[in-house]
Amino acid sequence: AQSVTQLDSHVSVSEGTPVLLRCNYSSSYSPSLFWYVQHPNKGLQLLLKYTSAATLVKGINGFEAEFKKSETSFHLTKPSAHMSDAAEYFCVVSEMYSGGGADGLTFGKGTHLIIQP
Amino acid sequence: DAGVTQSPTHLIKTRGQQVTLRCSPISGHKSVSWYQQVLGQGPQFIFQYYEKEERGRGNFPDRFSARQFPNYSSELNVNALLLGDSALYLCASSLTGYSGNTIYFGEGSWLTVV
Repeated sequence: AQSVTQLDSHVSVSEGTPVLLRCNYSSSYSPSLFWYVQHPNKGLQLLLKYTSAATLVKGINGFEAEFKKSETSFHLTKPSAHMSDAAEYFCVVSEMYSGGGADGLTFGKGTHLIIQP
Repeated sequence: DAGVTQSPTHLIKTRGQQVTLRCSPISGHKSVSWYQQVLGQGPQFIFQYYEKEERGRGNFPDRFSARQFPNYSSELNVNALLLGDSALYLCASSLTGYSGNTIYFGEGSWLTVV
């Protein structure tokens, strides 16, 4: 079984300062990990994904995340926050059973990122 | 190229009614999944289809059903609607549905049950 824990329900930073959104996961198999962003009343947009290649993953809009197997973490960072980054962020894990079945994506509860001017 | 398209975008139904939501995947994608997102929560997996066959099912009652057509589009049906079914229903598509695939989401269908 797979699960995701996003450690902060809300994060508030000032524009121009670094962003850190924390995520821990649990998976019985080698997982794929994703970060998605959801702006108000919009669908989900993929920021980045990890699929067992490089542990430091670069995504769109200056975001990146580091896969740390020993810590079962996949934290999302950005060096300098922009007002347009204000949104809901979801950490997501996916695994596939060896028999080909699927549990789909498992989402965390989300972190609401607030950007202060 | 068009992304994942869903219809209708908004609808209101009465308790006990039935609803059908539709999804067209990205061209070339053969896997479609459905998710329910209740206000203030992360999406919950309902179904995954690949090549017209159900590959996975989440923890939802039998009132929820889905199917995938030969052109890879999909429908989600919900019978005997409850107030708690009010949510954003998201459709997602990917090439094969395997865990490493990039999964693209549509804008969703907002269902309100009154």
